[in-house]
Amino acid sequence: GEDVEQSLFLSVREGDSSVINCTYTDSSSTYLYWYKQEPGAGLQLLTYIFSNMDMKQDQRLTVLLNKKDKHLSLRIADTQTGDSAIYFCAEDTGRRALTFGSGTRLQVQP
Amino acid sequence: GAGVSQSPSNKVTEKGKDVELRCDPISGHTALYWYRQSLGQGLEFLIYFQGNSAPDKSGLPSDRFSAERTGGSVSTLTIQRTQQEDSAVYLCASSLQGVLSGGEQFFGPGTRLTVL
Repeated sequence: GEDVEQSLFLSVREGDSSVINCTYTDSSSTYLYWYKQEPGAGLQLLTYIFSNMDMKQDQRLTVLLNKKDKHLSLRIADTQTGDSAIYFCAEDTGRRALTFGSGTRLQVQP
Repeated sequence: GAGVSQSPSNKVTEKGKDVELRCDPISGHTALYWYRQSLGQGLEFLIYFQGNSAPDKSGLPSDRFSAERTGGSVSTLTIQRTQQEDSAVYLCASSLQGVLSGGEQFFGPGTRLTVL
C-alpha cells in the first residue's frame, strides 16, 4: 500500500527478538493492526492497537505506537521457527477498508 | 460456517475469458471485503460491502471488475476479459462490524488466479 511502508525482509536467529517496523501517513488512523500470513494461507490477525495507546503487550508480542512520527513496531520475543511468515501492518482510518503495507518477510534461522 | 471460504482455490484461465470468484463470509458478519495480492506485493483493496449500504468500489482497478453481494451474505467478484496482469491471489475477508470498529477481519484462504 502506498500509504503504509514496511521493510521487505528480516532475518533473525531462533531465540532472538524480532522487531518489524512500519510507517504510515494518515494521522487520522484510529486502529492499527498486525496480521500474519503463513505460506499458502490467508491473513491472521495477531494484534491491534487503538490510536490513543502507545504500547500493547500480548504474551511474546509487543506493539509500540509513536503517533508523532507515525511509526508502528511489532516486537516478537524469543522468536521461533514457527514465527517465520510475512507480517503486514494495516491502518483503519474509517474511510474504507484497511490499508495494508507491502509486508515484511521474517525468516527465522535455527 | 467456521470461517470464510472461497472458491475455487485455484483458477487458470485464458486471456480474454471472464471469471467469477466466490466468497462465503462468516454467518452474521455485516462487512465483506475483497483484496488482491500480487506476487511479492501487499494487499490492494478492491471493494467493501457494509450491510445494506452502497458498496465502496473505489479500489476496483478498471471497469472489467465488478462485485455483488446477494442477500447480505455470499459475494461474487467478476473479472471480464481477463488480462495477464489480473493474475494474483484474490482474498476475501469479513468482519462482524465495519471499519472503525476495531473489529477483526477474518480472511479466507484466497483464490489464486492465473491468466495465461
